[in-house]
Amino acid sequence: RKEVEQDPGPFNVPEGATVAFNCTYSNSASQSFFWYRQDCRKEPKLLMSVYSSGNEDGRFTAQLNRASQYISLLIRDSKLSDSATYLCAVTRSGSARQLTFGSGTQLTVLP
Amino acid sequence: NAGVTQTPKFQVLKTGQSMTLQCAQDMNHEYMSWYRQDPGMGLRLIHYSVGAGITDQGEVPNGYNVSRSTTEDFPLRLLSAAPSQTSVYFCASSFTLAASYEQYFGPGTRLTVT
Repeated sequence: RKEVEQDPGPFNVPEGATVAFNCTYSNSASQSFFWYRQDCRKEPKLLMSVYSSGNEDGRFTAQLNRASQYISLLIRDSKLSDSATYLCAVTRSGSARQLTFGSGTQLTVLP
Repeated sequence: NAGVTQTPKFQVLKTGQSMTLQCAQDMNHEYMSWYRQDPGMGLRLIHYSVGAGITDQGEVPNGYNVSRSTTEDFPLRLLSAAPSQTSVYFCASSFTLAASYEQYFGPGTRLTVT
């Protein structure tokens, strides 16, 4: 089983839709959690850190469920510009310095 | 601020050749790392460094060497290139690897080994 797993998609949604991605992690001792966005043939960029209490940034909401070992990303009122691959990342147990990425979920927002 | 820079952007090597991928950051970040990204595999950590003179292995270190003689630079060396090393390589840096600190990625180097 991979340490961090994501549904690869693709998710094709119309503009204005709400879309949610989940990411599961296998190690219960994982400490820090992140969502990154990667545009085609570009470098990943941090979208949000994920905190235990959940956090929101505009149309984006991130949640952490430690009991079930997953993090989620909710995008409301999707825009064409949200089309990208979304990567979750988790710090490895025992090493706050090693970040493990999921393989990414591809989102296309359609006009 | 240039952020994280990587050179070259593209490279084609023949099997057995060696080369160094360059990475530099001008943000005075302590932590630097190298990842490779392959289709369907996500980003996998190759090597990382928590400061000048300190390096450690990540998930897929075989076939790669690193050194960190200065805070700014973190080159990745391929000693004897193999087709399995065809990939996109990203360098990243951050002040530290904690929830409140963002990792900044360079634009990547696309390497093909024939």
